This record gives sequence, structure tokens and C-alpha cells, in this order.
Amino acid sequence: QQQVKQSPQSLIVQKGGISIINCAYENTAFDYFPWYQQFPGKGPALLIAIRPDVSEKKEGRFTISFNKSAKQFSLHIMDSQPGDSATYFCAASRDGGSTLGRLYFGRGTQLTVWP
Amino acid sequence: DSGVTQTPKHLITATGQRVTLRCSPRSGDLSVYWYQQSLDQGLQFLIQYYNGEERAKGNILERFSAQQFPDLHSELNLSSLELGDSALYFCASSLRAGRNTEAFFGQGTRLTVV
Repeated sequence: QQQVKQSPQSLIVQKGGISIINCAYENTAFDYFPWYQQFPGKGPALLIAIRPDVSEKKEGRFTISFNKSAKQFSLHIMDSQPGDSATYFCAASRDGGSTLGRLYFGRGTQLTVWP
Repeated sequence: DSGVTQTPKHLITATGQRVTLRCSPRSGDLSVYWYQQSLDQGLQFLIQYYNGEERAKGNILERFSAQQFPDLHSELNLSSLELGDSALYFCASSLRAGRNTEAFFGQGTRLTVV
């Protein structure tokens, strides 16, 4: 059972455009929502993360929007650049219980930014 | 460079064999996680260790086992290998278990079972 659902599977955006990737979760115990960026041949690298006590977090061109009531969160990449072409994963984890720190990942979105 | 070192980077082996993947966490990190990445299953959590003790188990097969040593490096042992075990295996480390602690991933070991 996929605890975090991610869409779209692939995304093509023109340089300078906005890339939007969406994720949804079911488990209300999740309290940490990171986004990871993965380039071919590399491991996932943390891009930006949010906790459910805020609705938005911005770091440079990357913004996470979080909707607690809808159990959804999304990544917005403003002014998308060819160097942003990578696979993006949303994830969720929860404090406490038997899965301390374990990340539940979405299936990933392959982003291609055309020059 | 995340600071997490995984060896080897590539491994090709035959069905039925046993392999050991090694992970050295970032200096000071006490928690080590193992994940499997495949095209059909995505990134799946296998197992977590914290300061030498097993803390959490995911969908890890009985043919797989892991341990964390006193120097905090970890090994993932995969035995009786099957074609379906071919995947990327990632190790991640964090300073401490839980409490929204950022996990840093290594570059992975690509295992090919032929």
C-alpha cells in the first residue's frame, strides 16, 4: 500500500516556467514532509522540507505548499532551469511509534526542463 | 557529497549467491537506514539501525539481513539472490533516530543479479 501518492509521473516544462508536483498522504500521524532531488547515478538529496504547523515554505526558487485538511502537499519550482532536470520524490515520516525517522516515499516525478 | 559512503558502487553476481553491501555513515551520525530502489517498487525502506541496535524493519525479505557495528558502519547482507533482487540499494544516515531528522543518502550500490 502506497502511503504517499505522487503525481505526475513525468513532467516537461519550458525553461523559465513553473514546475508543479503534487503529493497526497493518508496517515495523519505524519509530521515531516521532505522533498528529495535525485540525479542519474546519484542518491536522493534533500531539497526542502516542511512540518504541518506551516502552510508554505520557500527556499530560493523552491516552494512547498502544505494543506493539512486535504492531506496534500506540493512542490513548486519557479523559473525552472535545465539544471533542474531530475527525478523528484516527496516523502513523509512521523515521530514516535516503531518507525522513527523512516521515510515513506512517493513514486517520483521525472522532470525535464527544455532550454 | 553527502558524506555517506557506500561500497561497492556496482555489483554483478549470479542467482543463488550472497553479497554484502557496506555503508559508512556521516561522521557523528548514529542512525543508519537501508532503502531499495527499483523501477516497479520505487524507494522502499528495508531496515534501520540506531547506535548498533535494530530500530525498525520494513519490507525486508528473510533472505536479507543487516547489522551496525561499534564504529557505526553498517552492512546489508543479501543471500540466495534472485533476479528480482536486482536494484539500487541506498544507505542513509542521520544524527539521531526520529524527530524529523534529515537523512543524508549515499550514492548507492547497483546490484545486478544474472
